[in-house]
Amino acid sequence: GAVVSQHPSRVICKSGTSVKIECRSLDFQATTMFWYRQFPKQSLMLMATSNEGSKATYEQGVEKDKFLINHASLTLSTLTVTSAHPEDSSFYICSAPNPPGGRKGYTFGSGTRLTVV
Amino acid sequence: AQSVSQHNHHVILSEAASLELGCNYSYGGTVNLFWYVQYPGQHLQLLLKYFSGDPLVKGIKGFEAEFIKSKFSFNLRKPSVQWSDTAEYFCAVTFSSGSARQLTFGSGTQLTVLP
Repeated sequence: GAVVSQHPSRVICKSGTSVKIECRSLDFQATTMFWYRQFPKQSLMLMATSNEGSKATYEQGVEKDKFLINHASLTLSTLTVTSAHPEDSSFYICSAPNPPGGRKGYTFGSGTRLTVV
Repeated sequence: AQSVSQHNHHVILSEAASLELGCNYSYGGTVNLFWYVQYPGQHLQLLLKYFSGDPLVKGIKGFEAEFIKSKFSFNLRKPSVQWSDTAEYFCAVTFSSGSARQLTFGSGTQLTVLP
């Protein structure tokens, strides 16, 4: 089945630095990638939808300049947390629609636990 | 390693039929449990969640789920489905290990409700 590879799984960074999270679709092309964030004791929150070759669509309240999303190819979407602060510490996960011809639905990455110290 | 299993990949029901989607996890520690729904072309929406307390959890749109700790299960139920329930359903589990929490999704169950 479809696989979305997400890296890194865990990252600890210093406040003020930037962190890049990658999601790669293996063996299929993902023209769309959803990026979610989970706060403690809460459910996932959609941050943005990235589309290959065009600008990402951000949800209300999500800072575009802080959470940079790039979908430069059909198999790679990245989320860069710029000038990270402790309040950005969270669990980030991506999801892509499954390719045509296979099982309908979506596939999730394995998630990234970001800790900003 | 912790894992979440949804054994039904595709479920097809007629309207008014009852629904039960299975979700099992493998982990002996503390868990938080979620069911999400994703309608075609839309992003995930939370149906219900369990953190503690009454193991029978009621969510939106008439869905409920029961946490059975001894069976490591959190099955989703609805007594009478509607055509509009056609969507993909994901079970997700947060595993707590020390100060870290890892959210893991099941592979999803595609539900098709026939009118």
